[in-house]
Amino acid sequence: NAGVTQTPKFRVLKTGQSMTLLCAQDMNHEYMYWYRQDPGMGLRLIHYSVGEGTTAKGEVPDGYNVSRLKKQNFLLGLESAAPSQTSVYFCASSYGFLQYFGAGTRLSVL
Amino acid sequence: DQQVKQNSPSLSVQEGRISILNCDYTNSMFDYFLWYKKYPAEGPTFLISISSIKDKNEDGRFTVFLNKSAKHLSLHIVPSQPGDSAVYFCAASPGTYKYIFGTGTRLKVLA
Repeated sequence: NAGVTQTPKFRVLKTGQSMTLLCAQDMNHEYMYWYRQDPGMGLRLIHYSVGEGTTAKGEVPDGYNVSRLKKQNFLLGLESAAPSQTSVYFCASSYGFLQYFGAGTRLSVL
Repeated sequence: DQQVKQNSPSLSVQEGRISILNCDYTNSMFDYFLWYKKYPAEGPTFLISISSIKDKNEDGRFTVFLNKSAKHLSLHIVPSQPGDSAVYFCAASPGTYKYIFGTGTRLKVLA
């Protein structure tokens, strides 16, 4: 049972490039989340989804887009990467109050 | 506006002693609280939770206390072990399955 899997684990982008981060969960959870973690800032919610085909904005959604075409997958897109998006990104899924996290994607934007 | 605050960025404790990690919140609508532990290069993992109808929840060496009037919760680890060295996050929710996380406290347990 893999739980929550994030790909890729590491990525370096140049300013203006685009990329998609993939999150996959095999627990049949309805809720999925994308967070970013920055030094001294804790985990901040970017976007979340309460079910297949639905998405909603979190605390820091600007510069990101998401899609949830399949229940098990939640994609986070950066259309034009900026240095301010250098961060560690975590995906999570939940059925009830308990969130299960992936191992994270470390993204550097130069 | 930080709704969930962990004012101690770091804490060092001797092995076998008690570790106390603190968390303060400002939103009185929060009614469910969780603690997560995070090791380097891994995602956060659930540790223990408490709902607002309780003031204490215990699981082995870990106990969480909730003081609603003070809007304060604390995590006690007794006895502390070197494997407990990690970053600990508290998180709070108003019952919407969305959580606000604190900034984390790095615990170092010295052997």
